[in-house]
Amino acid sequence: EVQLVESGGGLVQPGGSLRLSCAASGFTFSSYWMSWVRQAPGKGLEWMATIKQDGSEKYYVDSVKGRFTVSRDNAKNSLYVQMNSLRAEDTAVYYCARPIVVIAHGIYNWYFDLWGRGTLVTVSS
Amino acid sequence: EIVMTQSPATLSVSPGERATLYCRASQRIGSNLAWYQQKPGQPPRLLIYAASTRATGISAKFSGSGSGTQFTLTISGLQSEDFAVYYCQQYSTWPPGTFGQGTKVEIK
Repeated sequence: EVQLVESGGGLVQPGGSLRLSCAASGFTFSSYWMSWVRQAPGKGLEWMATIKQDGSEKYYVDSVKGRFTVSRDNAKNSLYVQMNSLRAEDTAVYYCARPIVVIAHGIYNWYFDLWGRGTLVTVSS
Repeated sequence: EIVMTQSPATLSVSPGERATLYCRASQRIGSNLAWYQQKPGQPPRLLIYAASTRATGISAKFSGSGSGTQFTLTISGLQSEDFAVYYCQQYSTWPPGTFGQGTKVEIK
């Protein structure tokens, strides 16, 4: 079965750190770009980060640049995000998602054909 | 920065009727638009990409149209499992993967 399973969420204090993981199965993980998308409680979806198949290119939304780092281990079929300097506004369900990458106007862009069930991160004192 | 605006915010529809959802982009995006369905407590599910192409396994009751800045998702013969929140997402310009705020389709 093709699936993505996230783990690592929880309660963390403002300024703290957390590392999320995503385990992929049922497809050739190393052949795909991978992404994180988040959703604050009761709110809409926000693309957060994307990493190329070999990890050589990484893209982030401005609000997490310098604080979050996406990485992957193709040998373990796993995607990660290290989240530092967490803020209350980072409270959200974090989804691992598989992007379908296109090149539009000379830049990479993507939509998402596979999603995990998400893991909740709560930043609160 | 591109902005995706969905309307209406909430759509009340009787079972068996048709629902029409709208998505407008603040700049032209060609046909680089996807639609997703999200039910409570579940992740989003890809319905439509390239504005009008149904994703694998998606029922023909879902149809997408439009290009440029104006897009439509039509859901025919609404059944209980179709009541959900629907999001559009552009994949044409930076920042990538910009979503609309969603339209909730509820039972009338």
